[in-house]
Amino acid sequence: RKEVEQDPGPFNVPEGATVAFNCTYSNSASQSFFWYRQDCRKEPKLLMSVYSSGNEDGRFTAQLNRASQYISLLIRDSKLSDSATYLCVVNGDNYGQNFVFGPGTRLSVLP
Amino acid sequence: NAGVTQTPKFQVLKTGQSMTLQCAQDMNHNSMYWYRQDPGMGLRLIYYSASEGTTDKGEVPNGYNVSRLNKREFSLRLESAAPSQTSVYFCASSAGGSWPGELFFGEGSRLTVL
Repeated sequence: RKEVEQDPGPFNVPEGATVAFNCTYSNSASQSFFWYRQDCRKEPKLLMSVYSSGNEDGRFTAQLNRASQYISLLIRDSKLSDSATYLCVVNGDNYGQNFVFGPGTRLSVLP
Repeated sequence: NAGVTQTPKFQVLKTGQSMTLQCAQDMNHNSMYWYRQDPGMGLRLIYYSASEGTTDKGEVPNGYNVSRLNKREFSLRLESAAPSQTSVYFCASSAGGSWPGELFFGEGSRLTVL
């Protein structure tokens, strides 16, 4: 089993739709969690960190369920510019040396 | 703001040739990383350097060597390239320490080994 698994995608949604991405991780000792965004043929960039209480940044909401080892990302009112691959990233220890990346889920927002 | 700069951006090698990927960051970060990205595999850690003067193996170190030249620079060397090393390589840095914080990536180096 992979350490971090994500919905296989791709997701094709119309503008204005709400879309949810799921991610599960296998290391119960994982300490920190992130969503990164990667545009086609570009480098990954941090979208948001994921906190235990859940957090929101504009149209984006991230949730963490430690008991189920599950992370989610919700995008409301999708824009064409949201088209990208979304990477779930889990850090397995306290010292920042073990970022584990999921394979990513590709999103295409259609006009 | 340059951030993380890696060179070259594109390279084609023949099997058995050697090359070095260069990476430099100007954010005074302690930790630096080399990842490779292959379709359907996600990013996989090759080597990392928690601080100047230290390097450690990641998930897929075979066929690679690294040098943390100083706090700013972290290079990745392929001594004898193989077709299996065809990939996109990303250098990254982070502040390091007890909170991992954000990873900042370079633009990537696309390597093809024939």
